[in-house]
Amino acid sequence: GQQLNQSPQSMFIQEGEDVSMNCTSSSIFNTWLWYKQDPGEGPVLLIALYKAGELTSNGRLTAQFGITRKDSFLNISASIPSDVGIYFCAGHDNTDKLIFGTGTRLQVFP
Amino acid sequence: DTGVSQNPRHKITKRGQNVTFRCDPISEHNRLYWYRQTLGQGPEFLTYFQNEAQLEKSRLLSDRFSAERPKGSFSTLEIQRTEQGDSAMYLCASSYGTRNEKLFFGSGTQLSVL
Repeated sequence: GQQLNQSPQSMFIQEGEDVSMNCTSSSIFNTWLWYKQDPGEGPVLLIALYKAGELTSNGRLTAQFGITRKDSFLNISASIPSDVGIYFCAGHDNTDKLIFGTGTRLQVFP
Repeated sequence: DTGVSQNPRHKITKRGQNVTFRCDPISEHNRLYWYRQTLGQGPEFLTYFQNEAQLEKSRLLSDRFSAERPKGSFSTLEIQRTEQGDSAMYLCASSYGTRNEKLFFGSGTQLSVL
């Protein structure tokens, strides 16, 4: 099925560092959502974006809806060990289905 | 607990057997979705309901798969004559509204077909 491209595929960082990841699509999306998934669990919603150019924060997380509507970015500041997990972007296409990215696996070392 | 609930959490079955999973959405949510996720991949859309009506099915949903939401509340996903390729995490999500809404996911049912 169709999936969005996320980069990087994985990241290994030191506790306290900032993290940036992005998501791109070949087509326009109407919304961008960011989820975090822990092993054996379902994705948990972090941030939802509804307008091109929108910048939204949730604690140490900040996400932006790209101006072209074909990309989105997620930043995590001052990472902590519980930030470990897989981060997925997702977007609603014109058929109103929520399409998921390929995921960015984040590992945080103390 | 007001979240999306899925049962069972884990299911191990032999090839050729039928399995059924259940999903209870957040109570006021009118839309219910089924996704499948294999190791190292993002969730892939299977089908969704608005109230009791099944509005769309993915090409991934072969004729061995059937989903129902009889009264617009809980939903079941049945896989007949399971194959090893059906092994995956099956995720259910729900949302309120009609378009571009936030989806809230359950913990999933991990299916292993031996």
